Amino acid sequence: QKEVEQNSGPLSVPEGAIASLNCTYSDRGSQSFFWYRQYSGKSPELIMFIYSNGDKEDGRFTAQLNKASQYVSLLIRDSQPSDSATYLCAVNDGIQGAQKLVFGQGTRLTINP
Amino acid sequence: KAGVTQTPRYLIKTRGQQVTLSCSPISGHRSVSWYQQTPGQGLQFLFEYFSETQRNKGNFPGRFSGRQFSNSRSEMNVSTLELGDSALYLCASSPGTFGDTQYFGPGTRLTVL
Repeated sequence: QKEVEQNSGPLSVPEGAIASLNCTYSDRGSQSFFWYRQYSGKSPELIMFIYSNGDKEDGRFTAQLNKASQYVSLLIRDSQPSDSATYLCAVNDGIQGAQKLVFGQGTRLTINP
Repeated sequence: KAGVTQTPRYLIKTRGQQVTLSCSPISGHRSVSWYQQTPGQGLQFLFEYFSETQRNKGNFPGRFSGRQFSNSRSEMNVSTLELGDSALYLCASSPGTFGDTQYFGPGTRLTVL
């Protein structure tokens, strides 16, 4: 069983600053990684996915993957109060094409105006 | 495209009863995965169906079962409900290839009394 670790927080960041969320995973063979955002009482919403080492940018969000260190992170630039949510890191643990996400416990992020 | 739909959105049951939850994936998606989310255990994988076949299964007792129909709609069933089954049940749809992004439905909130 693959494991995904996240700092549960809460992480508090002032509005306009960069929020940095981190995640480590146990299986060196993992290939696909996802960040989801979940508002209280809502279902997870995909923010980004990343498969290759390095950075992937989408608007204010940047995902970073370092397979050698088994580490994936999410940076949120120009943080807004609407970014306040729980951020979930997930790794696909499926075999032979199957879809099975293993999630971390999530990091609760609060953006302070 | 319409998103993932789940019915019902809320359910209240008593111990010992059984329950059936339904999920309709995004049009064209052939994979449906089910997850249980609780405050203590976080998001945990239940099972995945692809083309009416269960492709992967998580570590849940046999009381949890599912199926998928030819139109890709899926149902999950929980028999002999226990208090600990109270949770948010989420289904996620994807095209079905390894590493595909999974998109979550709004969830069904099950309360067992």
